[in-house]
Amino acid sequence: AQTVTQSQPEMSVQEAETVTLSCTYDTSESDYYLFWYKQPPSRQMILVIRQEAYKQQNATENRFSVNFQKAAKSFSLKISDSQLGDAAMYFCAYRSQGETSGSRLTFGEGTQLTVNP
Amino acid sequence: DAGVTQSPTHLIKTRGQQVTLRCSPKSGHDTVSWYQQALGQGPQFIFQYYEEEERQRGNFPDRFSGHQFPNYSSELNVNALLLGDSALYLCASSLLAIGNTIYFGEGSWLTVV
Repeated sequence: AQTVTQSQPEMSVQEAETVTLSCTYDTSESDYYLFWYKQPPSRQMILVIRQEAYKQQNATENRFSVNFQKAAKSFSLKISDSQLGDAAMYFCAYRSQGETSGSRLTFGEGTQLTVNP
Repeated sequence: DAGVTQSPTHLIKTRGQQVTLRCSPKSGHDTVSWYQQALGQGPQFIFQYYEEEERQRGNFPDRFSGHQFPNYSSELNVNALLLGDSALYLCASSLLAIGNTIYFGEGSWLTVV
């Protein structure tokens, strides 16, 4: 079974600064997907960024980028030019690429990000 | 285009009772999954429905059951409620084809007293 570990329960950053959230995972599979989701106080999970394991290039979405190290099974999220609206719980998630994986995600325990003005 | 919608938003039940939560997937999606998120924890996968059948199941007891209707909407039923069932229940939808983005609803808050 796959596991996802987020070792930082809480992180804080000054507005306009850069912060990196860590995530490691354990799997015996070679093909899979990794995600970062944001959960604001409204509790709705919002997809921030995704990475396909077969792609060597790190994914980027505007101010959000990842550092995907497949051999090390590490998947960190970098938020540049942090904004007050970035404050939320961030979850790292794993999904197999198997035929029946569908929408089954394995989540980490989350990192609560605070953005200070 | 409506996203994933869930009802009710909040509910309170008594230990031993039964509860039904409802989910309408995003338009065009054929797969629905349910997750339980206890306070301060990450979501845990309960089960997934496709073509009106349960396709995958997480480590949850048989008290948790579900259903998917021909219009792809879904219900989550929990029998014999325990205090530990108090949580946010999230519904997610997607297309079964691998790689498609998974969308989440805002969840149903269940409190068992």
